[in-house]
Amino acid sequence: KAGVTQTPRYLIKTRGQQVTLSCSPISGHRSVSWYQQTPGQGLQFLFEYFSETQRNKGNFPGRFSGRQFSNSRSEMNVSTLELGDSALYLCASTMTGTVFSYGYTFGSGTRLTVV
Amino acid sequence: DQQVKQNSPSLSVQEGRISILNCDYTNSMFDYFLWYKKYPAEGPTFLISISSIKDKNEDGRFTVFLNKSAKHLSLHIVPSQPGDSAVYFCAAPGGGSNYKLTFGKGTLLTVNP
Repeated sequence: KAGVTQTPRYLIKTRGQQVTLSCSPISGHRSVSWYQQTPGQGLQFLFEYFSETQRNKGNFPGRFSGRQFSNSRSEMNVSTLELGDSALYLCASTMTGTVFSYGYTFGSGTRLTVV
Repeated sequence: DQQVKQNSPSLSVQEGRISILNCDYTNSMFDYFLWYKKYPAEGPTFLISISSIKDKNEDGRFTVFLNKSAKHLSLHIVPSQPGDSAVYFCAAPGGGSNYKLTFGKGTLLTVNP
């Protein structure tokens, strides 16, 4: 069965620009979460969506936003990019009710570099 | 406030020996814990989980132990193989309908042939 697909894999943007990242979860998974991984901070939770609604949100500024579509696909957007936004952005999906037994399934991530 | 801590940034072991990766937590409300393994340029892969009502969970070469009174858990890999070389993360979900995972900063395990 297909895994979690994130596009694009790599992205280079300039400070001040905005970027949209895409995530297609595993078929049947309705919960989609986004994480940012940086060398200094590790893996940090951005937000989680379930049935097109943001259910949980991490401690990131309002420049970070997301949405989920009716087919469970999700996008995240970062506006007014800063150098510190350079990171690996990971999407994860799960079937609710099984996350604690089987965990999230993560995609391979999008490597964003802001120059 | 780092609620999940992995105090050893790296660990090196010989092939065939035991690898022990440690994790401490501060939030008594955590009732599940998960271990993930991550190779460079890939997303984390779920390894094993443990509920707070248990003190041990085993899956093949991987065993996780939980000591609730000490707020400590450990992942044992026996025997260690070179393919186990990766970064290992300990994580805890927020509980209830809060699916936010709080991760430790990870431990780089190197298994030498």
